[in-house]
Amino acid sequence: EPEVTQTPSHQVTQMGQEVILRCVPISNHLYFYWYRQILGQKVEFLVSFYNNEISEKSEIFDDQFSVERPDGSNFTLKIRSTKLEDSAMYFCASSEGGIAKNIQYFGAGTRLSVL
Amino acid sequence: RKEVEQDPGPFNVPEGATVAFNCTYSNSASQSFFWYRQDCRKEPKLLMSVYSSGNEDGRFTAQLNRASQYISLLIRDSKLSDSATYLCVVAPDRGSTLGRLYFGRGTQLTVWP
Repeated sequence: EPEVTQTPSHQVTQMGQEVILRCVPISNHLYFYWYRQILGQKVEFLVSFYNNEISEKSEIFDDQFSVERPDGSNFTLKIRSTKLEDSAMYFCASSEGGIAKNIQYFGAGTRLSVL
Repeated sequence: RKEVEQDPGPFNVPEGATVAFNCTYSNSASQSFFWYRQDCRKEPKLLMSVYSSGNEDGRFTAQLNRASQYISLLIRDSKLSDSATYLCVVAPDRGSTLGRLYFGRGTQLTVWP
């Protein structure tokens, strides 16, 4: 069964450092998403991406965040200068698109720990 | 105002029990509704979509009441493997796909032998 893959599974970084979280969406999917979940809290939307541009972003997704699809398979989330409060589980998701094919499938996540 | 509200539980039930979870959503423009399950420190996994007419998938039954902006999930004959957190999820439609998903905080279920 096709799946969304994310690397690394756990990233530890120092405050102020840049991190890049990587995702490989399901191959025929056209819509890509990043969500995060702070420990003990709900899953929160960060950004959606389609046709090589951001289609929607939340208030969390400020200038410290950026997304990129550098090639035909990868989808990355960059945090330029990490803060302690960025510590969370980051989930990538993808969907095929089309009203009947709009289910979002999630990767296993990257646990980001900012020290 | 919270977009999606759920009773956080926890619900602790014996194997074989029937358990029901409820959820309310605030945005009347929401078009798509789902129940996801999330195991501890894992990703959300789709359990089922929720349709206006109600739908059933084996032991799981989901209902939607648009007028009351209310969604429910019924689990019959609970199994130990049903122990997880159940996430109520709503989304607006945006053209050919969904918009952002709005998650509830989840309802924790523990099924004991």
